[in-house]
Amino acid sequence: AQKVTQAQTEISVVEKEDVTLDCVYETRDTTYYLFWYKQPPSGELVFLIRRNSFDEQNEISGRYSWNFQKSTSSFNFTITASQVVDSAVYFCALSEAVSGGGADGLTFGKGTHLIIQP
Amino acid sequence: EAQVTQNPRYLITVTGKKLTVTCSQNMNHEYMSWYRQDPGLGLRQIYYSMNVEVTDKGDVPEGYKVSRKEKRNFPLILESPSPNQTSLYFCASSLGVGSGSYEQYFGPGTRLTVT
Repeated sequence: AQKVTQAQTEISVVEKEDVTLDCVYETRDTTYYLFWYKQPPSGELVFLIRRNSFDEQNEISGRYSWNFQKSTSSFNFTITASQVVDSAVYFCALSEAVSGGGADGLTFGKGTHLIIQP
Repeated sequence: EAQVTQNPRYLITVTGKKLTVTCSQNMNHEYMSWYRQDPGLGLRQIYYSMNVEVTDKGDVPEGYKVSRKEKRNFPLILESPSPNQTSLYFCASSLGVGSGSYEQYFGPGTRLTVT
């Protein structure tokens, strides 16, 4: 069975600090998809990134970067020069491929509450 | 605007009174899904649908029903709600099987309280 672990329940940093959110996953499939979602205080879920299991390239998008390492089953998320607006709950999620080429539902981690203090 | 809508956004009801939470998407997505979010548990999948008339159980289906008569709509039905179904519910959709794009787009959430 698939599982996603976000060991950090809550992280608090001061604005402008860099912060890394950890995500460790378990799956028996060789083809799977990893995601990060952001849930700001307003409650909606905002898609941030999707990564395929066969693409281990790291990704950078502005102040956000993601480090995918299959050897350690990790998909960590780093925010550089954090800002107060980054305060949110961040979820890592995993989806396994199903026959026919599609993907199954998302298995979420329990989330990391990130607090950026001014 | 491409979106997933849910109604109502907030609902307080009593034990045993049947209710339906509607979900609609305007992106012609094949795949739709319902999740519930509870403190300390993250989000868990309730039911999903690969296409019209095709539904299947997720991780926590007990006490819920769904239907998919049209591609755009995927209502969540609680026939006899109980207090342990008090939660924040999210509907999601994606292009689905074989599309090559698996991002799930989420509705704004429905906060349900069962007393």
